[in-house]
Amino acid sequence: DTEVTQTPKHLVMGMTNKKSLKCEQHMGHRAMYWYKQKAKKPPELMFVYSYEKLSINESVPSRFSPECPNSSLLNLHLHALQPEDSALYLCASSGSGGGETQYFGPGTRLLVL
Amino acid sequence: GENVEQHPSTLSVQEGDSAVIKCTYSDSASNYFPWYKQELGKRPQLIIDIRSNVGEKKDQRIAVTLNKTAKHFSLHITETQPEDSAVYFCAAYRPGSARQLTFGSGTQLTVLP
Repeated sequence: DTEVTQTPKHLVMGMTNKKSLKCEQHMGHRAMYWYKQKAKKPPELMFVYSYEKLSINESVPSRFSPECPNSSLLNLHLHALQPEDSALYLCASSGSGGGETQYFGPGTRLLVL
Repeated sequence: GENVEQHPSTLSVQEGDSAVIKCTYSDSASNYFPWYKQELGKRPQLIIDIRSNVGEKKDQRIAVTLNKTAKHFSLHITETQPEDSAVYFCAAYRPGSARQLTFGSGTQLTVLP
């Protein structure tokens, strides 16, 4: 099963709201990723978790807060976002944190009003 | 760090014709090159990948070639069909890279019926 799932599919939030995005994989992968993608642009790496530890934070603003509760789950907590944060947020996972195929989830389409 | 350039940015072909998308990379240590297809509103989906120890890989109508000396790799789609219309992203992975996959800028392929 090469599937990564994400919830919710769509999210609309105001700039003062707090919300969370969720990602789950059951492929036994030990690396999980959060990407941000604008229309027709490549995915832009935000965070990497390797063996449930944060290994990469690509200078993402603190209003985005990742969390990896266990090896199958990845959350992205959102707080005080700006309209320019509106995008497709993709989760991905891979076998060993690099050099292995990354499988993407369907994404959460976020609109910040 | 690694830099991946992708050309062309848009490509229109007649149904049944072939399409070729080219990418160049900068870091000779990169050793894994996946291609992703992303249909409108959907997740990037791996369609083919190649590792640096082979020069060519084929899967039905899709093939990828790699020239390590010149540091470029190409996606070839033969007998194109309207359902091949999508944005295609190439990527490169360098072992030990903190950035994991480096994506090209994407190619919008349109197959005209």
